[in-house]
Amino acid sequence: KAGVTQTPRYLIKTRGQQVTLSCSPISGHRSVSWYQQTPGQGLQFLFEYFSETQRNKGNFPGRFSGRQFSNSRSEMNVSTLELGDSALYLCASSLIGRDDNEQFFGPGTRLTVL
Amino acid sequence: AQKVTQAQTEISVVEKEDVTLDCVYETRDTTYYLFWYKQPPSGELVFLIRRNSFDEQNEISGRYSWNFQKSTSSFNFTITASQVVDSAVYFCALSERGSGNTGKLIFGQGTTLQVKP
Repeated sequence: KAGVTQTPRYLIKTRGQQVTLSCSPISGHRSVSWYQQTPGQGLQFLFEYFSETQRNKGNFPGRFSGRQFSNSRSEMNVSTLELGDSALYLCASSLIGRDDNEQFFGPGTRLTVL
Repeated sequence: AQKVTQAQTEISVVEKEDVTLDCVYETRDTTYYLFWYKQPPSGELVFLIRRNSFDEQNEISGRYSWNFQKSTSSFNFTITASQVVDSAVYFCALSERGSGNTGKLIFGQGTTLQVKP
């Protein structure tokens, strides 16, 4: 079975721009979660999607948004980029997003904001 | 409030030494799950183990073992006879059953393990 894939792997943007990151979950997984990883804040939960609906959301500003398609693929969008948005963005998929489901992570997208 | 603490920021050992990574958690839920993930330099988090709050049995998988103690809210991870390939960042994480908690892992800050030859 193919693992979680994320595109692009690396991205360089400038302040004020917007960016869209993509995540394809493991086949059969319907829940997709997104995390931001920075040296200062560590791994923080952004949001989770299931059946094209956002079910759970972390403490991030509204500039961070996402969506999920009928094939469970997910995208996250960050508008009006700030320097502090530079991070590794990780996507994880699980069967249904329940607390006992293992989450399988993709390789991440490394975003650099200049 | 839910929280995971990994007090050891960095650990350095010589190959073949045993090493224990500490994890302490806080939660108000009675039903929860604990996880350990490994993050090698490539960046991808690799799932190692899941434990539910009702199962305090220790688990061993090859050179890896886990000690879950509810009384001290700890879920420690031991690598026996460490190898250079074990060098990575290790994360402990908590998942709660409460409503609205779907798809959310709460991570500790991670422990960087360096195993020297």
